[in-house]
Amino acid sequence: AQSVTQLGSHVSVSEGALVLLRCNYSSSVPPYLFWYVQYPNQGLQLLLKYTSAATLVKGINDFEAEFKKSETSFHLTKPSAHMSDAAEYFCAVSDSGAGSYQLTFGKGTKLSVIP
Amino acid sequence: NAGVTQTPKFRILKIGQSMTLQCTQDMNHNYMYWYRQDPGMGLKLIYYSVGAGITDKGEVPNGYNVSRSTTEDFPLRLELAAPSQTSVYFCASTFIDTSNQPQHFGDGTRLSIL
Repeated sequence: AQSVTQLGSHVSVSEGALVLLRCNYSSSVPPYLFWYVQYPNQGLQLLLKYTSAATLVKGINDFEAEFKKSETSFHLTKPSAHMSDAAEYFCAVSDSGAGSYQLTFGKGTKLSVIP
Repeated sequence: NAGVTQTPKFRILKIGQSMTLQCTQDMNHNYMYWYRQDPGMGLKLIYYSVGAGITDKGEVPNGYNVSRSTTEDFPLRLELAAPSQTSVYFCASTFIDTSNQPQHFGDGTRLSIL
């Protein structure tokens, strides 16, 4: 079974500061990895995905994530936080076994941006 | 450009009542999913479907049922509502051929059981 651990249920950064949200996964096969963002009272929106083409993945709104196999990590970063980045972020790993293509989600990290 | 549409957006039920949460997608996706989201717990998979007529259990299926008679629709049924089913429910869909693709989510149904 696959699993995802997101370190820190709540992260606060100042506007303009670096955003770093941590995600570690466990998988017995090469994984597909995703980051989603959820704004209040909305569904989840895809930020970026890793599908083995490149270890550094760029997503929307200047977010990016780096796949590090040796560390089983897929941390999300953004150079400069904006107020509009305040939301909850979910890391997810895909289980492609038996054709089910299920996603296993982390528990989420709520990002607050301080003016 | 509707994507994944869920109805209703909010609902309050009494213990023991039943209801159906509706989900429809207009992207011709073959895979569809139902999740529940509880505070601090992430999303848990309830049921999923790989195509019309084919459904299977996820991690937390007890107390729920699904059907998939068409490609577009994937309703979730609660037969005897219990307080533990108070949650936010999300429907998602994706198209799978030979590689994994991101799931597209609806805006959710917020359900309270009192």
